[in-house]
Amino acid sequence: GENVEQHPSTLSVQEGDSAVIKCTYSDSASNYFPWYKQELGKGPQLIIDIRSNVGEKKDQRIAVTLNKTAKHFSLHITETQPEDSAVYFCAARARMDSSYKLIFGSGTRLLVRP
Amino acid sequence: DAGVIQSPRHEVTEMGQEVTLRCKPISGHNSLFWYRQTMMRGLELLIYFNNNVPIDDSGMPEDRFSAKMPNASFSTLKIQPSEPRDSAVYFCASSLSWTDDYGYTFGSGTRLTVV
Repeated sequence: GENVEQHPSTLSVQEGDSAVIKCTYSDSASNYFPWYKQELGKGPQLIIDIRSNVGEKKDQRIAVTLNKTAKHFSLHITETQPEDSAVYFCAARARMDSSYKLIFGSGTRLLVRP
Repeated sequence: DAGVIQSPRHEVTEMGQEVTLRCKPISGHNSLFWYRQTMMRGLELLIYFNNNVPIDDSGMPEDRFSAKMPNASFSTLKIQPSEPRDSAVYFCASSLSWTDDYGYTFGSGTRLTVV
């Protein structure tokens, strides 16, 4: 089945710097890759997603890139702000038999230092 | 819309007791998912429903766990009997469709502590 690995597990950056989180997936049939942000005491919130027919997608300070050949995708946050501090999860949607599953990475705890 | 609503927010129970977690998905969403989050195992998919029908329950850890969705606006996850290792945060999420590329909207979760 699908396996998603995420790195790093923790990331500390200075406010204003960029942050990059990387994920790899194992199932070449996976075709949808969302990213979620989880703040303390809350559920994960979708912040951006990318489909397998697209290589890059941007939304203001957030961008995601996808390399289907290498089976990896990355989240880029530019001009980081303290409110970006949270746990970020990548995920890949895999088809298993007749069902579809969203498999999550293990999470990256991002700390933006003021 | 109020989003996905879960209750209770916190639950503390004694080992052996029955626990019922509740979820109200976003109106119009056809798919509902139950996840469990722990430090050791991260986010695990337990079961999901499409149009109130369970599609895949392979993530349900044991027979002590059961889930129902009697109608489009309500789902429960029951643990009976509960054990300390069931302590975790349980999330419910809903989506427009389980087959198409729609993101999930998560509830705020239920933090379960079994003592």
